[in-house]
Amino acid sequence: AQSVTQPDIHITVSEGASLELRCNYSYGATPYLFWYVQSPGQGLQLLLKYFSGDTLVQGIKGFEAEFKRSQSSFNLRKPSVHWSDAAEYFCAVGYPYNQGGKLIFGQGTELSVKP
Amino acid sequence: GAVVSQHPSWVICKSGTSVKIECRSLDFQATTMFWYRQFPKQSLMLMATSNEGSKATYEQGVEKDKFLINHASLTLSTLTVTSAHPEDSSFYICSARAPGGLGTDTQYFGPGTRLTVL
Repeated sequence: AQSVTQPDIHITVSEGASLELRCNYSYGATPYLFWYVQSPGQGLQLLLKYFSGDTLVQGIKGFEAEFKRSQSSFNLRKPSVHWSDAAEYFCAVGYPYNQGGKLIFGQGTELSVKP
Repeated sequence: GAVVSQHPSWVICKSGTSVKIECRSLDFQATTMFWYRQFPKQSLMLMATSNEGSKATYEQGVEKDKFLINHASLTLSTLTVTSAHPEDSSFYICSARAPGGLGTDTQYFGPGTRLTVL
C-alpha cells in the first residue's frame, strides 16, 4: 500500500528565508505526487504535481519540488518565503487512474512565518 | 478553470437529524468525486469514492448507511450524514477529478463544509 510521511509537523521560518518541506513516500511503481496548501478553514489548493519527465517541477506561488526516486522523496522548496505562505502543506501520492485514482495524504506540515 | 464548490460552507444541526452536503464541479465534468473528512490539526482521511451513475466505494471503517453518497450527474455529488451525532462534527471536503488523459488527471478540491452537531 502507498503511504506518505511528512517528518516535520511544524516549521517556522523568517520572512525572506528559504524553505524546504520534506515528503517521503512508499510506493512500488512510479508515483504520482502532489503538493497541496490549505489555509485556515479552507479547502486545498494544488501547488504542483509530478507524473513523469523532468524531476524538478515548478508550481504556483514560486514553489518547486524535486522528485528523487533513490530517496523516495518529493521535497517542496521556495527560495524566499512570504508571510502569506503561512499555512498547512500536504504532500500526497496518488493511485493511477485505472486503480481508482485516490490520493493518500501525509500528515501535513504547518508553516509559520516570522516577520 | 477546475473550480469545485461545496454547499453549505458551514452547518449546525441537532443530534439525530440528517444533513446534506453538495459538491459541484463548476467548469468541468467529473466522472469521479471523492469525499474526505478532516479533524482539527489533522490530515485528510478519504471516506469514499463516488463514481457517476454507480454506487460509491467506501473506505474501510466508514459506515455506508451513515454517510450516504449520491453522484447523480457529472457535475454533482452529495454526501448525506444521516442521524448525525456530535462525533460526526468535522470538516468535510470533496474533490473532483479532472481527467487530463491517462496518468495525468488531478483532483481539485472544494472549500469544505464545517459540520457541527449539537
